[in-house]
Amino acid sequence: GAGVSQSPSNKVTEKGKDVELRCDPISGHTALYWYRQSLGQGLEFLIYFQGNSAPDKSGLPSDRFSAERTGGSVSTLTIQRTQQEDSAVYLCASSFDQTGGYGYTFGSGTRLTVV
Amino acid sequence: RKEVEQDPGPFNVPEGATVAFNCTYSNSASQSFFWYRQDCRKEPKLLMSVYSSGNEDGRFTAQLNRASQYISLLIRDSKLSDSATYLCVVNMGNDKLIFGTGTRLQVFP
Repeated sequence: GAGVSQSPSNKVTEKGKDVELRCDPISGHTALYWYRQSLGQGLEFLIYFQGNSAPDKSGLPSDRFSAERTGGSVSTLTIQRTQQEDSAVYLCASSFDQTGGYGYTFGSGTRLTVV
Repeated sequence: RKEVEQDPGPFNVPEGATVAFNCTYSNSASQSFFWYRQDCRKEPKLLMSVYSSGNEDGRFTAQLNRASQYISLLIRDSKLSDSATYLCVVNMGNDKLIFGTGTRLQVFP
């Protein structure tokens, strides 16, 4: 597609439930990133995929968070046993190369609310 | 010390004013630098890359000072539509971008 596509755009879930967030990057972009942004806060790095390399998971806040990227394209971020502090906007971005030299293109995000 | 630091603002300026934002970064090995713009409840969008020699795009000028480890963004002739949060972004050399918390700009008539 023309841009980075994320789904769902909004998700309300009950505390303790699992959620899956999807990101479809720009075709041909080899690098894919997940960030989250809490209300009024900056972007927090979560995880980074580059081609077939092992992902950089250094930003995942707990073992309840995991992500995969199938076939070097679509990525899914899974949050297990959601907690209220997981409420945030989850942003996916993709880039043409791993250096980010061209900058990132972001999707419009998934707004997650845990009640 | 935070990896990327910005003055959160807000900067309240009248239309037509010139306003400048600074950003400092901690890692001297950082390789690439950007300014992003984020409108309220929207995703960040790339405003401009920052090159070592400095670069200009219309009313926007970005500069990099590697020795002092800071980046600046100058906006001339501010428009109401420039109101947004401006994010300083740094690639620390490990293939992920680190975002500052942003500087909020409000341009008033």
